Amino acid sequence: DTGVSQNPRHKITKRGQNVTFRCDPISEHNRLYWYRQTLGQGPEFLTYFQNEAQLEKSRLLSDRFSAERPKGSFSTLEIQRTEQGDSAMYLCASSPGLAGTGGETQYFGPGTRLLVL
Amino acid sequence: DQQVKQNSPSLSVQEGRISILNCDYTNSMFDYFLWYKKYPAEGPTFLISISSIKDKNEDGRFTVFLNKSAKHLSLHIVPSQPGDSAVYFCAASGAGGGATNKLIFGTGTLLAVQP
Repeated sequence: DTGVSQNPRHKITKRGQNVTFRCDPISEHNRLYWYRQTLGQGPEFLTYFQNEAQLEKSRLLSDRFSAERPKGSFSTLEIQRTEQGDSAMYLCASSPGLAGTGGETQYFGPGTRLLVL
Repeated sequence: DQQVKQNSPSLSVQEGRISILNCDYTNSMFDYFLWYKKYPAEGPTFLISISSIKDKNEDGRFTVFLNKSAKHLSLHIVPSQPGDSAVYFCAASGAGGGATNKLIFGTGTLLAVQP
């Protein structure tokens, strides 16, 4: 399977705990994105990587959130001191990132559903 | 400020008929538009896209129409099948040349295709 994979698929945690999610993009895709989706809303952009460089972060990404993409391959999203408002589906997407292109199709993983009690 | 709007939260269509899902946007800098289909507890699945230099793109049963002057796009599915029942999201991204190509999504339309 060469699609985007995410782990874990589900995570239940208590308020105040730290959680980490992993995303493995499609092989050879240079661009990687994190989104968050809450009930009744469309996905909202969180952050973006071009290879290993984090080039943009949304204001939704508070200081408790950190994302990395070491070596430009897989990415992790960590949430520290979780709050009940962090409960959402966290989606990862990747795209080829070909030089000179404008719009590109992003391919999404299955998501990680987080529930903070 | 919702830059991408899907004003119909739900749509019900008979099997075999045409489904038309609509999307409006406000940012004239958007130059690439996509439609995704989403089942519960799964990630969005890409359906079809269109660049702002075109006004129509077709792929099998799916056709997307873009009206730049009205800042409106629509997705036509014909003939509709029960397996098409899902939430459909419209998304848009801005110009390239250094932009992030992040997607801005609408709130989705739940399509129910009745057998």
